[in-house]
Amino acid sequence: KNEVEQSPQNLTAQEGEFITINCSYSVGISALHWLQQHPGGGIVSLFMLSSGKKKHGRLIATINIQEKHSSLHITASHPRDSAVYICAPLNAGGTSYGKLTFGQGTILTVHP
Amino acid sequence: DVKVTQSSRYLVKRTGEKVFLECVQDMDHENMFWYRQDPGLGLRLIYFSYDVKMKEKGDIPEGYSVSREKKERFSLILESASTNQTSMYLCASSFGGGYGYTFGSGTRLTVV
Repeated sequence: KNEVEQSPQNLTAQEGEFITINCSYSVGISALHWLQQHPGGGIVSLFMLSSGKKKHGRLIATINIQEKHSSLHITASHPRDSAVYICAPLNAGGTSYGKLTFGQGTILTVHP
Repeated sequence: DVKVTQSSRYLVKRTGEKVFLECVQDMDHENMFWYRQDPGLGLRLIYFSYDVKMKEKGDIPEGYSVSREKKERFSLILESASTNQTSMYLCASSFGGGYGYTFGSGTRLTVV
């Protein structure tokens, strides 16, 4: 079973700041999702990545499969970015069927 | 817009009742999942299905069963609801290999 460690657990920022959330996992994976959950809301997959870097607007995700580490960056943070961000590695192996393992989440609060 | 639809947003049931939670996806995804989310415990996999009539236990299957008679529909059944099953239940679906992962908006179940 994958172990997933996210840091920090809580993060408070001022609007406009650059934010980084880190994720480390202990076993082999095929890919990794970064998920976003707003208070009272559903969960959305922001990225699925298996190598390198992906960018979507102000969000950037990187992954180093060999080092078992991924980061989510938010540039020019905004109060609407306030949410829980969850790292979710995708289990490797032919019978994984897309099962995810989840980090505990990072609660991000961005103040105006 | 692709969707995973859960039949109820909020549900209150009595201890001992049989409870059905329904999930429907319109993306022709092979895989479907039921998770529960609890404060401090994060997201945990209850059951998943990788094909019609196929199911596998997740990490916490006790007290639950599932049914997948059609590709687009995955039902979670609480055989005899108990208060420790009070939780947020999230359905998700994906293509094989974890691509296109999409979550439903969740059902908050309270068992009294």
